[in-house]
Amino acid sequence: QITLTQQAESLWVSPGEKVSITCRASQSLLYTDGKHYLSWYQQRPGQTTKALIYHASIRTDGVPTRFIGSGSGTEFTLSIEDVQPEDIALYYCLQTLKKPYTFGAGTKLELK
Amino acid sequence: EVQLVESGGGLVQPGRSLKLSCVASGFTFSNYGMNWIRQAPGKGLEWVAYISSGSSYIYYAETVKGRFTISRDNAKNTLYLQMTSLRSEDTALYYCASQLRRVLFDYWGQGVMVTVSS
Repeated sequence: QITLTQQAESLWVSPGEKVSITCRASQSLLYTDGKHYLSWYQQRPGQTTKALIYHASIRTDGVPTRFIGSGSGTEFTLSIEDVQPEDIALYYCLQTLKKPYTFGAGTKLELK
Repeated sequence: EVQLVESGGGLVQPGRSLKLSCVASGFTFSNYGMNWIRQAPGKGLEWVAYISSGSSYIYYAETVKGRFTISRDNAKNTLYLQMTSLRSEDTALYYCASQLRRVLFDYWGQGVMVTVSS
């Protein structure tokens, strides 16, 4: 199965800063259609899990432009520019290239 | 408004069975593949099972294969997870999530807690 590694368990950030969360896959997530099957999710306490990014870099409807997905092959990054207090959450990457689908272990964004 | 509402969780003894439900509203349920995902206390997300929109394709994680059965009733906009031979390691918050396109889990429920303990 494909393993996704999110190196950082926690990242500390101050409001207004930029932060980057990385996700490394054990094999390329590029499919024959030329797209990467990697998506990002946000978990905030008391709220449903929210899809942020798909195909590595496309924001879902309504996601603020400060959320930026990038990367290719096996290395992916979710960047949050101008972090807001409401961005404090857990973030997960997910690969849906092959079953079993697998998630990264999660990165907790915390306030300094 | 899109909603996925899970139910059916609770405390169950090891070796027993439990059936979870997930009722969908606010979108055309019959067009979406559906997934169950779980999260053990203090742990990350683990994909459990997938069922295609018309139930033709079903897949399971190795950890639950042979013990769990995913199914759906499109007339009732409901997804199910029949869990048998439950183990302590199945203790988790179970979420359902929709999947219109392969790349994305579009909508998630709030989750339902399953505790397996004697």
